[in-house]
Amino acid sequence: AQSVTQLDSQVPVFEEAPVELRCNYSSSVSVYLFWYVQYPNQGLQLLLKYLSGSTLVKGINGFEAEFNKSQTSFHLRKPSVHISDTAEYFCAVSGSPADAGGTSYGKLTFGQGTILTVHP
Amino acid sequence: KAGVTQTPRYLIKTRGQQVTLSCSPISGHRSVSWYQQTPGQGLQFLFEYFSETQRNKGNFPGRFSGRQFSNSRSEMNVSTLELGDSALYLCASSRTTTNYGYTFGSGTRLTVV
Repeated sequence: AQSVTQLDSQVPVFEEAPVELRCNYSSSVSVYLFWYVQYPNQGLQLLLKYLSGSTLVKGINGFEAEFNKSQTSFHLRKPSVHISDTAEYFCAVSGSPADAGGTSYGKLTFGQGTILTVHP
Repeated sequence: KAGVTQTPRYLIKTRGQQVTLSCSPISGHRSVSWYQQTPGQGLQFLFEYFSETQRNKGNFPGRFSGRQFSNSRSEMNVSTLELGDSALYLCASSRTTTNYGYTFGSGTRLTVV
């Protein structure tokens, strides 16, 4: 079984300040890791993903995340936020179907979300 | 290219009724997954279909069912609606079977009164 914990339910920050949204996961198999963003009344948009290889992953809109296997973390960072980054952010984990068998087909396990509010 | 299309966007139903939601995946995508999003439980996996076969299922009662057609379009059905079924239902599609290529639709907002 897999689980995801997003350590902060809300993160307020001022415009142009850096931000870090924290995510820890647990899994008994090798994982894929994701960050999604959701704007009000919309679906989920993929920001970035870690599949393998370099532990520093760069995504859209200036976001990046670092995979730390020993700490089972996948924190999201942005060096300078904008008002338009105000949204809810979700960390998600998935097992490779090859590793997890049929139990992971199509299944992403999400954290509870972090609401990022950027103030002017 | 067109994204994942979910219809309708909004729906209001009465307790005890049933409802069918539709999802048209991106052209060429054969895997379709469904999720329920509520303020209390967050995002929860409902089921996944690939080539008209349900390959995986989340922990939901049998009132929740789905199917996939030969053109990869998918529907989910909820029978005997309860107030707690009020949620945003999201569909996601992927070309591959590896779980890392999913694109989400904008969802159907179901309100049960």
